[in-house]
Amino acid sequence: DTGVSQDPRHKITKRGQNVTFRCDPISEHNRLYWYRQTLGQGPEFLTYFQNEAQLEKSRLLSDRFSAERPKGSFSTLEIQRTEQGDSAMYLCASSLALRGTGELFFGEGSRLTVL
Amino acid sequence: GENVEQHPSTLSVQEGDSAVIKCTYSDSASNYFPWYKQELGKGPQLIIDIRSNVGEKKDQRIAVTLNKTAKHFSLHITETQPEDSAVYFCAASITSGTYKYIFGTGTRLKVLA
Repeated sequence: DTGVSQDPRHKITKRGQNVTFRCDPISEHNRLYWYRQTLGQGPEFLTYFQNEAQLEKSRLLSDRFSAERPKGSFSTLEIQRTEQGDSAMYLCASSLALRGTGELFFGEGSRLTVL
Repeated sequence: GENVEQHPSTLSVQEGDSAVIKCTYSDSASNYFPWYKQELGKGPQLIIDIRSNVGEKKDQRIAVTLNKTAKHFSLHITETQPEDSAVYFCAASITSGTYKYIFGTGTRLKVLA
């Protein structure tokens, strides 16, 4: 399978704990995006990388959230001191766009439940 | 700020009938409009897209139309089948220096056999 893969698929944690999600994009894709999706809503943009550079962060991404993409390959999204409001599906997507806009390929998501 | 509105939120049609979902975007700089289908427990999958230099695009039973002046775009599914049942999202790509996608709130389509 050469699609976008995310790990773990499900995570249940207690409030105040830290969690980390990993995303492996399609190998030749230069852009990587993180989105958050809550029940009944569309995906909300969190941040995106072009190669290893984090080019934009949404105001939804509080100081407790940090994302990295070392060496422009896989990416991690860490949430520190989780809160119940962080419960959501975290979606990763990648695209190949040399210029302009490219198709986003989404992973299956990592579902976070904060108790 | 940037916004994409999507209607209706739910849609039920009889198998074989057509379904239409409509979206409106706010940023006139948007120039790429994809539609995604999301099945339960899965990530969204692209089903069709349109760029701002085109008014209409068709792929078998699926078509998308774009009215740049009104900032409207629509998804049309003809001859619906039960496997078309899913949540559909429209999106607009904001290209003013970034390439993020703003998604609509989704339409849950149910095709009744």
